Formats: sequence, structure tokens, C-alpha cells
Amino acid sequence: QKEVEQDPGPLSVPEGAIVSLNCTYSNSAFQYFMWYRQYSRKGPELLMYTYSSGNKEDGRFTAQVDKSSKYISLFIRDSQPSDSATYLCAMSAGGGQKLVFGQGTRLTINP
Amino acid sequence: DGGITQSPKYLFRKEGQNVTLSCEQNLNHDAMYWYRQDPGQGLRLIYYSQIVNDFQKGDIAEGYSVSREKKESFPLTVTSAQKNPTAFYLCASSIVGTLSTDTQYFGPGTRLTVL
Repeated sequence: QKEVEQDPGPLSVPEGAIVSLNCTYSNSAFQYFMWYRQYSRKGPELLMYTYSSGNKEDGRFTAQVDKSSKYISLFIRDSQPSDSATYLCAMSAGGGQKLVFGQGTRLTINP
Repeated sequence: DGGITQSPKYLFRKEGQNVTLSCEQNLNHDAMYWYRQDPGQGLRLIYYSQIVNDFQKGDIAEGYSVSREKKESFPLTVTSAQKNPTAFYLCASSIVGTLSTDTQYFGPGTRLTVL
């Protein structure tokens, strides 16, 4: 079993839809959770960062962490064609531990 | 501008050749990492270094070598022993310490193709 599981998709939705991207994990020591966005042929860029359980909102993006269920989500509201990218979840226990990545979900927003 | 640069953007290698990918950062980060990305397989860690003159193997180190002579530089050599080197290579960096969140910042990547 992988330490972090992420549905690779592909996921295709119409413009304006609410998108939900998810990851599950098995290591209860993880306490730092990140979402990266990667456009085709580019390096990943940090989109959202969350510490421990709870929600964090940044514009149209909301990151949610449920440590009791070992489940994290990224919600995109009013999705735009420019949101089309691969989204990678990542997490760590902190203090110099390695970052563990999900496989990435390829998302396409159709105009 | 602070950031991570990788060069070249595209690299072509003949079989039997060693090639070196460059990675430089001016973020004053202690740790640097090399990943390989293949379609449908996410990121796989090749090597990482948390301090100058020290580095550790990641999950797929065979056929690769690195050096860390300067804090800001972490070049990766893909040797002829790497049997399937065609991939997208990503360099990243992060701060290190007990309060570190381990957030990594990535360069733009180098696409290596074996001819």
C-alpha cells in the first residue's frame, strides 16, 4: 500500500463547476499538507499549505484536512480553463522529514 | 528574483553517454532534491542533500550521481548505467530544521531524451 493515494484521473469538468480533488494517507505522523499545481512541461508550484486539521481558503481554492480520517481535499470554486493542470498532494511529518507526494490528478476544465 | 533555475530545458543523450543536469538556487535553502517524473507515475526521489558535502540516496538512485560542493548548487549526472533515462527531471529545495514544514520549491525542469 502506498503511503499517499491519489486518484490519477483524468478528471474533466465544465467551466464554472466546483472541483473536488482528494488524497488519502496512512502515516498518522503527517502534519503538514500541501497542494501543488503543475502545468504541462513545467515544474510544480505550491498552491496551498495547511498545518494539521482544518480548512484554509485562498480565493477560489479551499484546502481541507481531516486527520481523523487521514483524508485531505482541495476544492476549486468557479473553475476556469486556466485551472487545467495536474494537481499533486504532498505531506510530511515536519522537522526535516521527506515530503511524500501523491501520484497527481490531471484536471481539464472545458470552456 | 529568488528561485530555482535548471538548465538546460531540453537535453538529448546518445546511448552510452553521461550527461549532467544543472540546478542552482538563490533561496538560501539548506536542502536540495532531485526527482524524476514519468507519465502516470508521479514524482520519484533520486537523491537529496540537506547540507553541503553530504547527500543521500532516494528511492531510485541507481544509474545517477550527484555532488553538493556549494550550498546553492546540486548537479545531477545521469550515467550510462541508467537504462531508461528518458524522463522529466525536477530539482527542488527547502529549508531544514526542527520547525521546518518541509515545503519544497521546484525548478522549471529538464526534459531528457535518449536518442
